[in-house]
Amino acid sequence: SHELAQPPSVSVSPGQTVSITCSGDNLGDKYVSWYQQKPNQSPLLVIYQDTKRPSGIPERFSGSSSGNTVTLTISGTQTMDEADYYCQTWDSTSAGVFGPGTKVTVL
Amino acid sequence: QVQLVQSGPEVKKPGASVKVSCKAFGYTFTNYYITWVRQAPGQGLEWMGRISADNGNTHYAQKLQGRVTLTTDTSTNTAYMDLKSLKSDDTAVYYCARRVVGGYDYWGPGTLVTV
Repeated sequence: SHELAQPPSVSVSPGQTVSITCSGDNLGDKYVSWYQQKPNQSPLLVIYQDTKRPSGIPERFSGSSSGNTVTLTISGTQTMDEADYYCQTWDSTSAGVFGPGTKVTVL
Repeated sequence: QVQLVQSGPEVKKPGASVKVSCKAFGYTFTNYYITWVRQAPGQGLEWMGRISADNGNTHYAQKLQGRVTLTTDTSTNTAYMDLKSLKSDDTAVYYCARRVVGGYDYWGPGTLVTV
């Protein structure tokens, strides 16, 4: 199976930029998506295919990829961005794999 | 608009089975895969499997092979997740989600299953 690594938590001040990494073997050969999940809500797709933003997702959310690490960046972070963020890809059998999640605290 | 509506909460005893439904609205059901993801209390997201709403082709997480069955009913645009031989660590919120190229763009509200 394919395992993904994320930092358990990050903190950021309002208006600042925060980056969340997701790393895994051969991740550079795969597409990664990112999901935001607020308490008691369903996950929300914020980035897909490493860098693309679905319609309706604010421009402050961006994705990048380098080697076997992909990064979600939130620029000009707002208090409403406080949530858990999960990266996701597919393994060699096409089974889905989620990272363990990163809690973003805005303080 | 696209909407996935799931069935209500369930309470089951160990060893029993549960069937959760996910009814799709607002798009052509057979054009997409439906994926099921679960989340135990306070834990992360776990991919369970996916089914083609077009031809019923399935792919299951290795961990759940033999216990989970995904089906669809194209006459009612509904997907189903059947999990048998329930254990206490199957207690979780179960989500259905529509798969598009590169991700899951619409999610149901989740169904709490308590074992």
